[in-house]
Amino acid sequence: QKEVEQNSGPLSVPEGAIASLNCTYSDRVSQSFFWYRQYSGKSPELIMSIYSNGDKEDGRFTAQLNKASQYVSLLIRDSQPSDSATYLCAVIGNNNDMRFGAGTRLTVKP
Amino acid sequence: SQTIHQWPATLVQPVGSPLSLECTVEGTSNPNLYWYRQAAGRGLQLLFYSVGIGQISSEVPQNLSASRPQDRQFILSSKKLLLSDSGFYLCAWSVMETQYFGPGTRLLVL
Repeated sequence: QKEVEQNSGPLSVPEGAIASLNCTYSDRVSQSFFWYRQYSGKSPELIMSIYSNGDKEDGRFTAQLNKASQYVSLLIRDSQPSDSATYLCAVIGNNNDMRFGAGTRLTVKP
Repeated sequence: SQTIHQWPATLVQPVGSPLSLECTVEGTSNPNLYWYRQAAGRGLQLLFYSVGIGQISSEVPQNLSASRPQDRQFILSSKKLLLSDSGFYLCAWSVMETQYFGPGTRLLVL
């Protein structure tokens, strides 16, 4: 079982819709969770972090964490074509190393 | 504010040639530093991390090595490149848990 799993996609949504990106992790003691966005050919950039169960909102982005289900998600409201990118989920586990999922490729169609 | 630099941006090298990639961080002291590799269409693979000058931990045994000669300088090296070393090399820094990435070096080994 991979430490951090994401659906590779591609996930395609129309402009203005809500994009939902999901991630599961295997290390039950993980405490810190991150979402990064990576445009094609570029390096990952941090979108947001989440540490507590529940929702955390930042502009059009909402991160959701459920530690009991070992599940973290990212919602993008009012999706724009500029949101088209690969989204990486990252988890800091028991050994304090950050582990990344392989990423979900999102396409927002005008 | 903190800035991270990597060079070169792109590199084409023949098999068996040496490699030296450099990463420097500005605007912070005693950062944790990381080298990742991302193969085409794949996730991030942690290669090395460093918590201080001269302190290097290797995640994956291979023909690469890393050094940290100064607090904010991290170097990735190889004596003889393999075809499988091709990829996107990313340097990252952190002070707390969140990691921030440099622009990356795209390496093609022919």
